[in-house]
Amino acid sequence: NAGVTQTPKFRILKIGQSMTLQCAQDMNHNYMYWYRQDPGMGLKLIYYSVGAGITDKGEVPNGYNVSRSTTEDFPLRLELAAPSQTSVYFCASSNPGTPGEKLFFGSGTQLSVL
Amino acid sequence: DAKTTQPTSMDCAEGRAANLPCNHSTISGNEYVYWYRQIHSQGPQYIIHGLKNNETNEMASLIITEDRKSSTLILPHATLRDTAVYYCIVRSREGGQAGTALIFGKGTTLSVSS
Repeated sequence: NAGVTQTPKFRILKIGQSMTLQCAQDMNHNYMYWYRQDPGMGLKLIYYSVGAGITDKGEVPNGYNVSRSTTEDFPLRLELAAPSQTSVYFCASSNPGTPGEKLFFGSGTQLSVL
Repeated sequence: DAKTTQPTSMDCAEGRAANLPCNHSTISGNEYVYWYRQIHSQGPQYIIHGLKNNETNEMASLIITEDRKSSTLILPHATLRDTAVYYCIVRSREGGQAGTALIFGKGTTLSVSS
């Protein structure tokens, strides 16, 4: 039972480079989320999706893009990396209507932009 | 969604009960109280949630005051592995703009020592 899988685990980018953080879940969850966590801080919601083809902005969407072409995958795209995007990124999924609608989190991607 | 206030940090001796308070004085009638924890850089983990009544599961107990303006998470016999950041979150079960997503604050850092 894989749950939520994030790749890569670590990445170093140069300013201006682009990359895609991958997230996949095998629980058939409709809802998926991207959070970022800066050192010593709580999680901030970047984008979320309530189903394939539907995405919406969270608290801190600037500098990021997402797509949701399938139920399983929810990639996060950084187009022009900036030092302010140095953070740990967590993907999560949940199934609405289930008790607690628990969020299941991936193990995170640690990104450094230098 | 209503905001929450938690102490920045707490200490607990191993084997003793850990009582983590949370204030949510602006909570509305359809908002639930959720608790998650994050163990050292891992993705957050669901603990428990409740609306009005006290709740208990295999991990913890949740005590919600009658006026619902505050709650306490109780870990009955804390172990070293319970050292983590604990997040109290209030969220409506209704959908809508970011209403389906959990908004995390800074949480309480619980340190359990032997």
